[in-house]
Amino acid sequence: EPEVTQTPSHQVTQMGQEVILRCVPISNHLYFYWYRQILGQKVEFLVSFYNNEISEKSEIFDDQFSVERPDGSNFTLKIRSTKLEDSAMYFCASSPEPGQGYEQYFGPGTRLTVT
Amino acid sequence: SQQGEEDPQALSIQEGENATMNCSYKTSINNLQWYRQNSGRGLVHLILIRSNEREKHSGRLRVTLDTSKKSSSLLITASRAADTASYFCATAFNTGGFKTIFGAGTRLFVKA
Repeated sequence: EPEVTQTPSHQVTQMGQEVILRCVPISNHLYFYWYRQILGQKVEFLVSFYNNEISEKSEIFDDQFSVERPDGSNFTLKIRSTKLEDSAMYFCASSPEPGQGYEQYFGPGTRLTVT
Repeated sequence: SQQGEEDPQALSIQEGENATMNCSYKTSINNLQWYRQNSGRGLVHLILIRSNEREKHSGRLRVTLDTSKKSSSLLITASRAADTASYFCATAFNTGGFKTIFGAGTRLFVKA
């Protein structure tokens, strides 16, 4: 069964460094998303991406974040200058179609630790 | 806030009992989804119910949606120890783009 994959599974970085989190969505999906979950807290929407552009973003997704689909398979989240509070699990998801009634498939997550 | 809110926050039951979790939300939605998350793991999609649907079943799971009350419930029948996890409702709505908002979740503990 096709699945969303994410790499790395765990990333440790120093405050102020740039990180790139990678995701490979399911191949025939059209919508892509990033979420984060700070330890013990709820899952928070960051951004959705469709047709090679950002479709929707939350107030969390400020100028230090960017997303890209550099080729036909990868979907990346870049954090330019990491802060301690960026430590969280980051989940990528994809869905096959926009519109009413779409199911999102989540990857296993990348645990980002900023020291 | 447009977030879904679940109750109870935590639920502890014996194996074999039914577990009911509720979710309320504040704005019109396209659909509502329920997810399960085992501790420290990713999210597993359980059921999606569209705004024009009232009830949906999948195995031991039953989801209802009442758009007039802006609420949904997830019923797990004949619970098993393996059902121990956190359960989240997520509401999806179209704001020109697509956004999904998760609630804080219900932590379910099923005692063997």
